[in-house]
Amino acid sequence: DTEVTQTPKHLVMGMTNKKSLKCEQHMGHRAMYWYKQKAKKPPELMFVYSYEKLSINESVPSRFSPECPNSSLLNLHLHALQPEDSALYLCASSPYFNLAGAVDYGYTFGSGTRLTVV
Amino acid sequence: KNQVEQSPQSLIILEGKNCTLQCNYTVSPFSNLRWYKQDTGRGPVSLTIMTFSENTKSNGRYTATLDADTKQSSLHITASQLSDSASYICVVSAVTGNQFYFGTGTSLTVIP
Repeated sequence: DTEVTQTPKHLVMGMTNKKSLKCEQHMGHRAMYWYKQKAKKPPELMFVYSYEKLSINESVPSRFSPECPNSSLLNLHLHALQPEDSALYLCASSPYFNLAGAVDYGYTFGSGTRLTVV
Repeated sequence: KNQVEQSPQSLIILEGKNCTLQCNYTVSPFSNLRWYKQDTGRGPVSLTIMTFSENTKSNGRYTATLDADTKQSSLHITASQLSDSASYICVVSAVTGNQFYFGTGTSLTVIP
């Protein structure tokens, strides 16, 4: 299995809803990432987990809450979102994180969840 | 400041024609450069990864070049197909850490 699987593929939620995005990989990767991508823009890094611990939080608002229950699974819990949070949310994984000087050939993106906040 | 710039912003070509996309970067110290293809509403898919010592790398009809001295890369697509219509993103990594510096992408449209 060489894929990063994201569910759901599409999600529409109201501003008062609570929902979660799920990301799963079975490649033995120890680093997992959440990105946010607006239309016609490059992905923006949100969070990085390394060995199931949060390593980077790029000053993301608290209405986005990541969780890494085990090495294969990464969740993004959503609560009280705003319409401007509508975007494509991408998950990625790689064998390791922050190994300076090494090229991370295994970096793999999922297909994304298209989120619309109404 | 670490930056990645791509040109052109968008490109329309006829099916069967070749095209070349450009990427200039200021990321330092340089580790590697990746080209990704991203279909609308989908995640990026890796086409090539090049390190400092690699000048050319091919993946089917895609050929990437790297000039680490001038900090430029190009992606050449030969015999384009309708399925090549996508956004092509240049991503550069620095030696210090795993952070990706993304270019803004080139939107390619192949028409029959």
